[in-house]
Amino acid sequence: DGGITQSPKYLFRKEGQNVTLSCEQNLNHDAMYWYRQDPGQGLRLIYYSQIVNDFQKGDIAEGYSVSREKKESFPLTVTSAQKNPTAFYLCASSIGTGIIYTFGSGTRLTVV
Amino acid sequence: DQQVKQNSPSLSVQEGRISILNCDYTNSMFDYFLWYKKYPAEGPTFLISISSIKDKNEDGRFTVFLNKSAKHLSLHIVPSQPGDSAVYFCAARNNAGGTSYGKLTFGQGTILTVHP
Repeated sequence: DGGITQSPKYLFRKEGQNVTLSCEQNLNHDAMYWYRQDPGQGLRLIYYSQIVNDFQKGDIAEGYSVSREKKESFPLTVTSAQKNPTAFYLCASSIGTGIIYTFGSGTRLTVV
Repeated sequence: DQQVKQNSPSLSVQEGRISILNCDYTNSMFDYFLWYKKYPAEGPTFLISISSIKDKNEDGRFTVFLNKSAKHLSLHIVPSQPGDSAVYFCAARNNAGGTSYGKLTFGQGTILTVHP
């Protein structure tokens, strides 16, 4: 079955450490996105990529980094510069600039 | 700057009645609007969409209405069922072109609870 896989489902990080969230899709979608969900704030865009080897900052990119070396993969690194990293992170993909996103099941990151 | 707003954090309705979820937007460059549904600990799933050139789109129990002059859209669920209980996100696509094209902006979400 085609879909998006995010791993791990739960992640704990110590303050000052970088951590990488995995996102893999086998839908042959061109575009991939990272969103962050916080209570009362909905989904906010961190980074997006419309093609391999290219990505753009979203609305809240500070403290995050991404890479897009393969069409199927769009990992997100939460760096120690991110001041409030505890959140639910969602990866999504779409065909080209299509409006219908397929989302992964998310990774809940907690900083301890 | 919140370009897509869902001002009601929650809505509670009785099974069989109508649920109406509302969404307001500020950016006139939005050309498509969508509703996504999300269950706890899962990713959102696409529900229904509407182009800015239309004022209504219907799919089974779900109907989305768009009022461009008021920059307002709503999702009607009739009849509501307990399985509809979830968080509903309104989203909009920016047609400004360039690197913004295709990017969706989401509202804060409304928690719908349908009581049996």
